[in-house]
Amino acid sequence: QVQLQESGPGLVKPSQTLSLTCTVSGGSITSTSYYWSWIRQPAGKGLEWIGRIYSGGSPNYNPSLKSRVTISLDTSQNQFSLKVTSVTVADTAVYYCARSPRWDTALNGVRFDYWGQGTLITVSS
Amino acid sequence: DTQMTQSPSSLSASVGDRVTITCRASQSITNYLSWYQQKPGKAPKLLIYAASSLQSGVPSRFSGSGSGTDFTLTISSLQPEDFATYYCQQSYSTPPGFTFGPGTKVDIK
Repeated sequence: QVQLQESGPGLVKPSQTLSLTCTVSGGSITSTSYYWSWIRQPAGKGLEWIGRIYSGGSPNYNPSLKSRVTISLDTSQNQFSLKVTSVTVADTAVYYCARSPRWDTALNGVRFDYWGQGTLITVSS
Repeated sequence: DTQMTQSPSSLSASVGDRVTITCRASQSITNYLSWYQQKPGKAPKLLIYAASSLQSGVPSRFSGSGSGTDFTLTISSLQPEDFATYYCQQSYSTPPGFTFGPGTKVDIK
């Protein structure tokens, strides 16, 4: 069974760059059958999709965050990563990584079937 | 942008009750609608995809229906482990801009 695990610094200063990694086990991120996404959730609030990537494809980003976000794959480590530049307190949230199947999106849309446990990122000086 | 709304924002129910949650999209999303359950401190769990398909391993008391702009999640007989917050999510937008509803919290009456 696939498992995803986020890792990151916990605390980031305003204006700096946030970097997170998601390690995938029980499956390969080089599989073209899946998208790999980042999703975040501020405390007590709803979920916001940040962006996604898949092996051999270009990343897609939420238009509201596109100018500050980069998602990439590290196939040697079976990981994918997220960078958010120029962070503010509004970027404080629990960040999740998640997987979504690619093969049936035309029929079934995009759903997130496996999630990491989430990692809390606080932006504060 | 496709906006998602949910109603009610919260509800109180008893074990054994039939519970229905509604999700509405600001434009047609055909059947590209998923439902998730989230418990405090945990990641969301996929329950339903393609509006009415039950994710593997999810109890059959959960069901989904709808198409176009109006969707429902029904729990036929609420169990103690079902007290949680439920989110809908659309994936029709292009370029990809998947959006979630604001959530419906189900708590104990």
